[in-house]
Amino acid sequence: DAGVIQSPRHEVTEMGQEVTLRCKPISGHDYLFWYRQTMMRGLELLIYFNNNVPIDDSGMPEDRFSAKMPNASFSTLKIQPSEPRDSAVYFCASRTGGGGGEQYFGPGTRLTVT
Amino acid sequence: SQQGEEDPQALSIQEGENATMNCSYKTSINNLQWYRQNSGRGLVHLILIRSNEREKHSGRLRVTLDTSKKSSSLLITASRAADTASYFCVRRQGAQKLVFGQGTRLTINP
Repeated sequence: DAGVIQSPRHEVTEMGQEVTLRCKPISGHDYLFWYRQTMMRGLELLIYFNNNVPIDDSGMPEDRFSAKMPNASFSTLKIQPSEPRDSAVYFCASRTGGGGGEQYFGPGTRLTVT
Repeated sequence: SQQGEEDPQALSIQEGENATMNCSYKTSINNLQWYRQNSGRGLVHLILIRSNEREKHSGRLRVTLDTSKKSSSLLITASRAADTASYFCVRRQGAQKLVFGQGTRLTINP
């Protein structure tokens, strides 16, 4: 299996621009998670989906952030408009419905907003 | 907010030595997980220990859990340069959410 795939790996954009991050979970996984990692706040859960349905978006910082999962093999995290404080590494993770909770992480997208 | 607190925040040892990292948490758990993150990479699940287990092994890794003290430890034996990474103690909050600590940055010196 290819694992969780994220694109792009690096994104540099100017403040005010729209940014779209993409994720392909591991095939057969029922859950998909979006995280943000910064030096100040560590790793934070933004939102997660179960069977393509958003379950908990309480970690989404504000209305500028939105996430979708149109099908079982694709999800997007969009920031519009982007701000310098959004600069971080964004991770996507997936897991099956069973087991003890182990999640499989993608390589991350390093976002820099100037 | 981080609910798992790792100690120490940073650890530097010589290759071949053992590395021990500790974790404390505040609320009851069903299980505790440890993840590794190499610089600039995603996190990798290492091991899961359930609340009714006291010790678990996986290769060179040994994890202990003391639910009475709300603490866990991760021991890496015979360390290698490739073990250089950050290690996170992770507990599950609710059905699916994972709560990460700030991690221990482990450096293995050749």
